[in-house]
Amino acid sequence: DSQMTQSPSSVAASVGDRVTISCQASQDIDKYLNWYQQKAGKAPSLLIYDASHLERGVPSRFSGSGSGTEFTLTITNLQPEDFATYYCQQYESLPPRFTFGPGTKVVVK
Amino acid sequence: VQLLESGPGVVKPSETLSLTCNVSNDFVNAGYTWSWIRQRPGKGLEWIGNLQHDGTTDYSLALKSRIDILLEVSQNQVSLRLSSVTAADTAVYYCARAYMGYCSGKTCRNWFDPWGQGTLVIVSS
Repeated sequence: DSQMTQSPSSVAASVGDRVTISCQASQDIDKYLNWYQQKAGKAPSLLIYDASHLERGVPSRFSGSGSGTEFTLTITNLQPEDFATYYCQQYESLPPRFTFGPGTKVVVK
Repeated sequence: VQLLESGPGVVKPSETLSLTCNVSNDFVNAGYTWSWIRQRPGKGLEWIGNLQHDGTTDYSLALKSRIDILLEVSQNQVSLRLSSVTAADTAVYYCARAYMGYCSGKTCRNWFDPWGQGTLVIVSS
């Protein structure tokens, strides 16, 4: 069974802080790693695709990097609206399956 | 494009759960891949399955024996049927459009966007 890991599972931060979230894929997925943001009580929304490309409308304080199995999401100058849970997601083709990481919750310090 | 899920809210154990995803501002048979994803209370996201525009389906191995995803072209909807439900199937169910692109090695370019707002299903007698 495919497993992704994320660390930390939770991070306490203040407005203006820099937050870094790590994600490890279960196998080499090239650059095809996506990040989603889920605010409380809402559906997830695509934040970053292809490891580093910001979805339209996503502020530039969000950035992503990595390839292969190791990926990072960074939020610089954390804003009040950024307190949410962040999920990474991968796809494997044999057999076809999508897997999400367990999530990282960004909470108020 | 906007997606809106709907369903019964409560389903009895052992029965079949049926959900629909209404697609607005686009056509369900316009060459896309449609997905269902669920989230148990307080838990993470779990991919359930995909339906490609050509009718090809891919299902989670854990749920494969119990699920069907169908295109209802005349209604411009995507439906999910999950049989023999138990309390473990209690979750918010989301539909999403999946982008599937270039493949390299054992993976492909992909993402889920947009997502519907989700519909809560409680399995209870």
